Amino acid sequence: EVQLVESGGGLVQPGGSLRLSCAASGFTFSSYWMHWVRQAPGKGLVWVSRIKSDGSSTSYADSVKGRFTISRDNAKNTLYLQMNSLRAEDTAVYYCARGTSYSRWGQGTLVTVSS
Amino acid sequence: QSVLTQPPSVSAAPGQKVTISCSGSSSNIGNNYVSWYQHLPGTAPKLLIYDNNKRPSGIPDRFSGSKSGTSATLGITGLQTGDEADYYCGTWDSSLSAGVFGGGTKLTVL
Repeated sequence: EVQLVESGGGLVQPGGSLRLSCAASGFTFSSYWMHWVRQAPGKGLVWVSRIKSDGSSTSYADSVKGRFTISRDNAKNTLYLQMNSLRAEDTAVYYCARGTSYSRWGQGTLVTVSS
Repeated sequence: QSVLTQPPSVSAAPGQKVTISCSGSSSNIGNNYVSWYQHLPGTAPKLLIYDNNKRPSGIPDRFSGSKSGTSATLGITGLQTGDEADYYCGTWDSSLSAGVFGGGTKLTVL
């Protein structure tokens, strides 16, 4: 069974850092592009970042460029999102999603940026 | 403000049909595949349609997708109360080099 399980969310002060993880199982992780998508409270889905199957290519939304870094460890079947210089507007549920069509999603992890 | 435009809400009676539109531009819908997602609060979004009109295994044929030019449409027939959810269209934007979603449409089955 395909599973994506996010972790690492929590409460952080403005300017702080967090690293999110997404543990994948039930499929060949190393064959898929992976994405992070977020949803702020009461708002819609917003794409954050993507990484190629072998980690050789990444892309970011303008709102997080220079602050967030996506990476992956194919040996551990795990996707990461390093989030630095966090702002209140980064408060959201963060989902990892598989493939170019986001064919599978995790349940999400909540990140709250507040003093 | 989302790059793709969806109506904020639609409603219909059980058993009826509803369509949800998604409007974009040549840099996104016009030249890339469109997907549709169903999202219930607190749960993982679910892929309903990919590559404009294909259904993943397990998705009933009550759900359909189409694309024409820079617009796409999700159709749902035989509405059930369990279909009440938020629906999102999504694609890649070649000019932005970024993924883009619509603002979401809340479906109410009256």
